[in-house]
Amino acid sequence: GAVVSQHPSRVICKSGTSVKIECRSLDFQATTMFWYRQFPKQSLMLMATSNEGSKATYEQGVEKDKFLINHASLTLSTLTVTSAHPEDSSFYICSAREGASADTQYFGPGTRLTVL
Amino acid sequence: EDQVTQSPEALRLQEGESSSLNCSYTVSGLRGLFWYRQDPGKGPEFLFTLYSAGEEKEKERLKATLTKKESFLHITAPKPEDSATYLCAVQAYRGGSNYKLTFGKGTLLTVNP
Repeated sequence: GAVVSQHPSRVICKSGTSVKIECRSLDFQATTMFWYRQFPKQSLMLMATSNEGSKATYEQGVEKDKFLINHASLTLSTLTVTSAHPEDSSFYICSAREGASADTQYFGPGTRLTVL
Repeated sequence: EDQVTQSPEALRLQEGESSSLNCSYTVSGLRGLFWYRQDPGKGPEFLFTLYSAGEEKEKERLKATLTKKESFLHITAPKPEDSATYLCAVQAYRGGSNYKLTFGKGTLLTVNP
């Protein structure tokens, strides 16, 4: 149980284009989903927290107009990187929290974004 | 601000050689401490959640323990397939329903056959 998927697993795009990443909870309803970014040999850095049906809460220093998050249902959240630049190249990972009171976050397999 | 420090950064063991990984934390009001395993190019895989000092949890060759300042992940008789980066994260009590995790940088474990 508690399986989270991400799509795509890998994407290469040109500078200035937008990229959408999907995160799905496959066997549970996710009240809250989280988006992280991980640079090589670095830890996971939380970008934003999204609750189904409401606006995402962004961490300090994360541009909300650049990283658009939509959590339209209890099983799907999307992250859109708008006008991507090479410095946005990174490993993006989502996680989902099962249920209203559960503490544990289950992570997706990640999306490797490369901006040329 | 919550802080998590993991040591060592890297650990190389021979198969069967037991050892421990350390996670020191500073948090105002610990809600839970989490251990994850991460393989290269993959998302973290959940291992354990610990909630209070003195608590211990086991899974196969792994045992996690918790004190008021740190957590240890003990690996008994490791096998090459245990090679991975082990991440520690803390979750603090905050207002509302914030379940934010703060991660350490991880310990890269390599187990040689």
